[in-house]
Amino acid sequence: KNQVEQSPQSLIILEGKNCTLQCNYTVSPFSNLRWYKQDTGRGPVSLTIMTFSENTKSNGRYTATLDADTKQSSLHITASQLSDSASYICVVRSTSGTYKYIFGTGTRLKVLA
Amino acid sequence: DVKVTQSSRYLVKRTGEKVFLECVQDMDHENMFWYRQDPGLGLRLIYFSYDVKMKEKGDIPEGYSVSREKKERFSLILESASTNQTSMYLCASSLDSPSYEQYFGPGTRLTVT
Repeated sequence: KNQVEQSPQSLIILEGKNCTLQCNYTVSPFSNLRWYKQDTGRGPVSLTIMTFSENTKSNGRYTATLDADTKQSSLHITASQLSDSASYICVVRSTSGTYKYIFGTGTRLKVLA
Repeated sequence: DVKVTQSSRYLVKRTGEKVFLECVQDMDHENMFWYRQDPGLGLRLIYFSYDVKMKEKGDIPEGYSVSREKKERFSLILESASTNQTSMYLCASSLDSPSYEQYFGPGTRLTVT
């Protein structure tokens, strides 16, 4: 069964600290993996996308990695800010069928001053 | 900038009412999607549409129908609202390409009493 699992479910860190969020998937066949940021009460916004051949992608203080062999991805946030408080969702796109996006349940991050 | 708008941010309806949720995108995207998002479950696909008047069921279509009469507009219809349809509803659109991201609307929080 195609699944995307994220850990931890929630995380609290102090402003200025770094953190890493994990995403493990069992989706096959694999097309790409995307990380989204979702602020409370808002729709998700894309941070990064990686295909099978890419193993790292950065967007400012956000760096995503992908290990296609172990089917694992991580999102590293450097020098966290209060505005990073949000849910982070890992989404894997499969190439099977007309359409197939498999969503993780997200990691809720809270950054404290 | 791509813009996906949803007709209401918050909606309260009574059990048995017919409910219409409207979504409009301004980027000429072929694909449009309706999801619901519940705590601990992540985003689940209700319906998607890959062209005008074309639609496919997602993972949880029961109790819902959709309409796409124009390319930019995708409507979700709850024929007879029930309390278990209380949820956050997210609309998204994308080009017809696996590498192209989905752009999400701000969401409609629907409460059925």
